[in-house]
Amino acid sequence: NAGVTQTPKFQVLKTGQSMTLQCAQDMNHNSMYWYRQDPGMGLRLIYYSASEGTTDKGEVPNGYNVSRLNKREFSLRLESAAPSQTSVYFCASSGGAHSTDTQYFGPGTRLTVL
Amino acid sequence: AQSVAQPEDQVNVAEGNPLTVKCTYSVSGNPYLFWYVQYPNRGLQFLLKYITGDNLVKGSYGFEAEFNKSQTSFHLKKPSALVSDSALYFCAVRANYGGATNKLIFGTGTLLAVQP
Repeated sequence: NAGVTQTPKFQVLKTGQSMTLQCAQDMNHNSMYWYRQDPGMGLRLIYYSASEGTTDKGEVPNGYNVSRLNKREFSLRLESAAPSQTSVYFCASSGGAHSTDTQYFGPGTRLTVL
Repeated sequence: AQSVAQPEDQVNVAEGNPLTVKCTYSVSGNPYLFWYVQYPNRGLQFLLKYITGDNLVKGSYGFEAEFNKSQTSFHLKKPSALVSDSALYFCAVRANYGGATNKLIFGTGTLLAVQP
């Protein structure tokens, strides 16, 4: 039982390049989330998926797209990377969309955009 | 506006002494509150949560948190700090946007440094 896994762990991009961050969970959770972590700003929600087949914007969705491929996998895509997207990205999952459900986090992807 | 505040960027404590990491919140409706810990180069790990009931919540690794509705606070505590407790701690509150959503608002984090 690996929990939440993310690939890659590190990535360096040039401005304008695209990439997809992968996330998978093996806990049979319904809901998945993408956050970014920046110094002094805590974690901010980019997108979330309350259940398979649905996605919705979070606090900072501009410049990102997501795909809920199936119940296990939730990917985050940067179509044209910008230096402002340099950050650490975390994927999380929870049993459901209920407000009391605990979210469990992956190890993160450290992205640098030059 | 719904928000979480962690007023201290860093807390220093000697090993064996009690520790407190502060958190205050502003949210409409009943607050659902969480504490997470992040060790260097790792993801966030769940420590504990308050949903309802007893104001003192016990969690992992000997941590506990006290919910105080009148002061809108949810401070994290431990009676005796360990060097291995040194990490970044995040408080979070479930955002109330109506409906069955599970969006969390995170504080900016407090770095706990425990000196031997």
